[in-house]
Amino acid sequence: NAGVTQTPKFQVLKTGQSMTLQCAQDMNHEYMSWYRQDPGMGLRLIHYSVGAGITDQGEVPNGYNVSRSTTEDFPLRLLSAAPSQTSVYFCASSSSGTPVTEAFFGQGTRLTVV
Amino acid sequence: KQEVTQIPAALSVPEGENLVLNCSFTDSAIYNLQWFRQDPGKGLTSLLLIQSSQREQTSGRLNASLDKSSGRSTLYIAASQPGDSATYLCAVPNNDMRFGAGTRLTVKP
Repeated sequence: NAGVTQTPKFQVLKTGQSMTLQCAQDMNHEYMSWYRQDPGMGLRLIHYSVGAGITDQGEVPNGYNVSRSTTEDFPLRLLSAAPSQTSVYFCASSSSGTPVTEAFFGQGTRLTVV
Repeated sequence: KQEVTQIPAALSVPEGENLVLNCSFTDSAIYNLQWFRQDPGKGLTSLLLIQSSQREQTSGRLNASLDKSSGRSTLYIAASQPGDSATYLCAVPNNDMRFGAGTRLTVKP
């Protein structure tokens, strides 16, 4: 029972480079989301998806793209990395519906942009 | 916009002490509230989920309460142990999950 798996765990990028953070869940959850965690700012929602083919913006979406082609996967793309995107990124999933049920988090990706 | 606040930001207690962590939220129209634990450099581990219709939820030495009308939740940890040292986060789930900044707990042997 893997739960939510994020890859890579660590990444260093140069300014302007692009990369994709991978997130996969094996719980057949409809709802998936991406957060970034910064010191003093807590966790902030970047993008979320309520099902395959459906995505929406969260609190801090600028500089990030997402897509959801399958229920299991929800990759986060940085098209042109900036030092301000240095952060720890977490992917989460939960069953959708009302009420929203328990959320499960991956172990995080620590990204440094130099 | 839902705002979630956790007090205190940091807490240090001797082993064996009972303690309470506080979480407050501004919009009482919530479905549920979830408490997480985060160890340094690690992800978030779900501890307890309290549905809006519940007032309490227990798991081992942990007890979480919810008072929607006052916009408050507490996490009670009984007989604290050094292994309880971590950051504790509360969150109000929705499509836009809102987190508190967390309480960093240190339990000294």
